[in-house]
Amino acid sequence: RKEVEQDPGPFNVPEGATVAFNCTYSNSASQSFFWYRQDCRKEPKLLMSVYSSGNEDGRFTAQLNRASQYISLLIRDSKLSDSATYLCVVNSENNDMRFGAGTRLTVKP
Amino acid sequence: EAGVTQSPTHLIKTRGQQATLRCSPISGHTSVYWYQQALGLGLQFLLWYDEGEERNRGNFPPRFSGRQFPNYSSELNVNALELEDSALYLCASSWGGSEQETQYFGPGTRLLVL
Repeated sequence: RKEVEQDPGPFNVPEGATVAFNCTYSNSASQSFFWYRQDCRKEPKLLMSVYSSGNEDGRFTAQLNRASQYISLLIRDSKLSDSATYLCVVNSENNDMRFGAGTRLTVKP
Repeated sequence: EAGVTQSPTHLIKTRGQQATLRCSPISGHTSVYWYQQALGLGLQFLLWYDEGEERNRGNFPPRFSGRQFPNYSSELNVNALELEDSALYLCASSWGGSEQETQYFGPGTRLLVL
C-alpha cells in the first residue's frame, strides 16, 4: 500500500465547476499536511497547508480528518488556470515528507 | 526576494560517471531538502540538511550523498550513475527544520543518464 494515495484522475471539468480531490495516508503519526500544485515540467508550489479545523483560501477549501487519515481539497468556480496536477503531501517526524502521485485536473472552456 | 535556485538546469552524463547538482536556498532558510522525481512517478524524498548536518535520508543507496555549506547552499552528488537515475532532481528549502514549515521548491535539475 502506498503511504499517500490519491485518485490519479484525470479530472476534466468545465469552467465554473466544483471539483473535489481526496487523499488518504497510512502513517497515523503524520504531523503536517499540505496541498501543492505542479504545472507541467515545473516545480511544485504550495497551494495551502491543511489544518485539523479545515481551512479556506478563496475558492479553495482543505479538510483533514485525522481519525480516518483522509485529506480533501475542494475547488469552487474552477478557472482555466487551475489546470495542473495537485499533490497531496504528508510530513512526519524528521521531515520524512511523502508525496502522493498527484491528481491531474484539466479545466476546459 | 529570490527563490530557491538550482544549477545546472540540465545535465547529461553516461553510466558510471558522477553528477553534482547544486542548490541555493531562499535567504534566511537553513534547511535544504532533495527530492527525485522520475518520469511518471511521484516525488521521492532523498536527503534533508539543516545547519550543515544531514538530518534524514530517504530510501536511496549510499551513492546518493550530499552536503550543506556554511552559507546553507547544498550539493547533491550521485556516484556511479545508472540509467534509472535519470530524473528531475528538486531542491527545496524551509525557514527551519520543523515539520510544519512550508518547503519551497526550486526549478529542478533534469539529469539524463545515457
